[in-house]
Amino acid sequence: GQSLEQPSEVTAVEGAIVQINCTYQTSGFYGLSWYQQHDGGAPTFLSYNALDGLEETGRFSSFLSRSDSYGYLLLQELQMKDSASYFCAVSRTGGFKTIFGAGTRLFVKA
Amino acid sequence: AAGVIQSPRHLIKEKRETATLKCYPIPRHDTVYWYQQGPGQDPQFLISFYEKMQSDKGSIPDRFSAQQFSDYHSELNMSSLELGDSALYFCASSLGPSSGSVGNEQFFGPGTRLTVL
Repeated sequence: GQSLEQPSEVTAVEGAIVQINCTYQTSGFYGLSWYQQHDGGAPTFLSYNALDGLEETGRFSSFLSRSDSYGYLLLQELQMKDSASYFCAVSRTGGFKTIFGAGTRLFVKA
Repeated sequence: AAGVIQSPRHLIKEKRETATLKCYPIPRHDTVYWYQQGPGQDPQFLISFYEKMQSDKGSIPDRFSAQQFSDYHSELNMSSLELGDSALYFCASSLGPSSGSVGNEQFFGPGTRLTVL
């Protein structure tokens, strides 16, 4: 089967750095993606890792360790607008079927 | 920039009725995905199409069917609707392998909120 685990909630203050971890168990792993979703909105793509290492995109970075079946999303210089749900998602071989984690709700406080 | 278009945005149906949801991908995107998201839940992968062929299948009930047409738009047909089908249905599109893309950046539409009474 396929499963992903991520914390259900994280709280941080404005300007801080927060890391959201994701561990996965899946057959035919292809890549790990991260999506942001505000209440009532659609998921928005943030980052994707197919190979081990760190990918940086502005204030957001994502890391993958395939040998550990582990990844994380790092958010820097937190802003109030970053309050949202963050999902890790695994694509299996072929890249089509995408399994989402249960999501981490991030609360950013002033 | 053009985004994924979904219609209708809201739909109310009675139990046992049928519903058709439509999705128009971003121009040049040849891959379409359908997801179902219940309140407070993660998006559940239903089915995907690449170049008008079904490319993968997830937890799509047998009562549901979908297809991708020659203009790459896709429709999700839902029959014998049940109360539990009430959810947000998202369509997403991406560039597929033929473009050289790994196809993992999925662009989501605004969703169709289906309510079954």
